[in-house]
Amino acid sequence: GESVGLHLPTLSVQEGDNSIINCAYSNSASDYFIWYKQESGKGPQFIIDIRSNMDKRQGQRVTVLLNKTVKHLSLQIAATQPGDSAVYFCAEKASGYQKVTFGTGTKLQVIP
Amino acid sequence: NAGVTQTPKFQVLKTGQSMTLQCAQDMNHNSMYWYRQDPGMGLRLIYYSASEGTTDKGEVPNGYNVSRLNKREFSLRLESAAPSQTSVYFCASWGTGYGYTFGSGTRLTVV
Repeated sequence: GESVGLHLPTLSVQEGDNSIINCAYSNSASDYFIWYKQESGKGPQFIIDIRSNMDKRQGQRVTVLLNKTVKHLSLQIAATQPGDSAVYFCAEKASGYQKVTFGTGTKLQVIP
Repeated sequence: NAGVTQTPKFQVLKTGQSMTLQCAQDMNHNSMYWYRQDPGMGLRLIYYSASEGTTDKGEVPNGYNVSRLNKREFSLRLESAAPSQTSVYFCASWGTGYGYTFGSGTRLTVV
């Protein structure tokens, strides 16, 4: 994936508000998409996934939206909490391929 | 707890020294991966192993070697460490329906 250098895009959100984190993917053959959360000093953790035959999937407080036409993925977090502060990565994978491509990440800062 | 275990958590090496990063998973996954993560950058694939007995290069394999010892274990070796290899290294395994499960990382500094 492309590098954005040392500075991650940052989204600052007031506690209790909804957050939307966006991701553009590059491979039109990708058919499986995942969002990961990485807290400081820890490994990335699976949040939610979606396959290309869907355009929306909901989890607990999180929703992933997929727009294949413009190759865009978003993660919505409802009622954002301080514990949601982390770096969020999207990832894409094409069936039949072992490799997963990660985005460079977005840092979410929750303001108490 | 089921998951991916990496050792060591921290390591400081001098330029030219060698070391092996260990990784084990207990989820019976076929595929295992080594990534590096540099400040402000995404995860870059070093090597992966689609199944026991096979390994393949990722985006940034130079300076590294790997061994898939058995289904559980996948190690990463730096034969002659360089300052450019200062990074955080993550091992991961891939399970259908779960995506990656990552280890907690090894913070390596090469001086």
